[in-house]
Amino acid sequence: KAGVTQTPRYLIKTRGQQVTLSCSPISGHRSVSWYQQTPGQGLQFLFEYFSETQRNKGNFPGRFSGRQFSNSRSEMNVSTLELGDSALYLCASRELGTDTQYFGPGTRLTVL
Amino acid sequence: TQLLEQSPQFLSIQEGENLTVYCNSSSVFSSLQWYRQEPGEGPVLLVTVVTGGEVKKLKRLTFQFGDARKDSSLHITAAQPGDTGLYLCAGAREYGNKLVFGAGTILRVKS
Repeated sequence: KAGVTQTPRYLIKTRGQQVTLSCSPISGHRSVSWYQQTPGQGLQFLFEYFSETQRNKGNFPGRFSGRQFSNSRSEMNVSTLELGDSALYLCASRELGTDTQYFGPGTRLTVL
Repeated sequence: TQLLEQSPQFLSIQEGENLTVYCNSSSVFSSLQWYRQEPGEGPVLLVTVVTGGEVKKLKRLTFQFGDARKDSSLHITAAQPGDTGLYLCAGAREYGNKLVFGAGTILRVKS
């Protein structure tokens, strides 16, 4: 099976812009979670979706949002970008009935 | 407060040495995963442990889940430069709940 894929791999934006990141889970995995990773804060949970519904949410402002489509693919959107949003954004998928998450390669977002 | 305390934060050792990384909590986990991550890439799953007292081996890596399912350890025997990376432990407090990650251990193995 192909692994989790994320696009784009790298992105450079300026403050105030918005960005959309995309994630395709492993075939058959219906749960998709998003994480932000920075050197100072480590891996922080953003949200999880399955069956097109947000099921869990981390402590991030409303500028961070997501959605999931009927084919389990997911997108994450960040509006009004701030310098502090520069990070590696990771998507992970899991099979319902298990806890193990499989990560994609990430999208490196740089906000100038 | 970190729910999962991981130690040590940094480890720099010579090739051939042994090492142990610890992941501790006051909470019980339904399962615990270990990942290894290289710079600029996503974490790669090494193992999942689910049963208290469980021991799993992956070549030179030995993973143990505490009897009470509150702690775990990763032991590497005869470390090699290819083992260099960030090691992360992550636990699920209840089935289906979000994963909680430790802060990670940066391992550098010098040849």
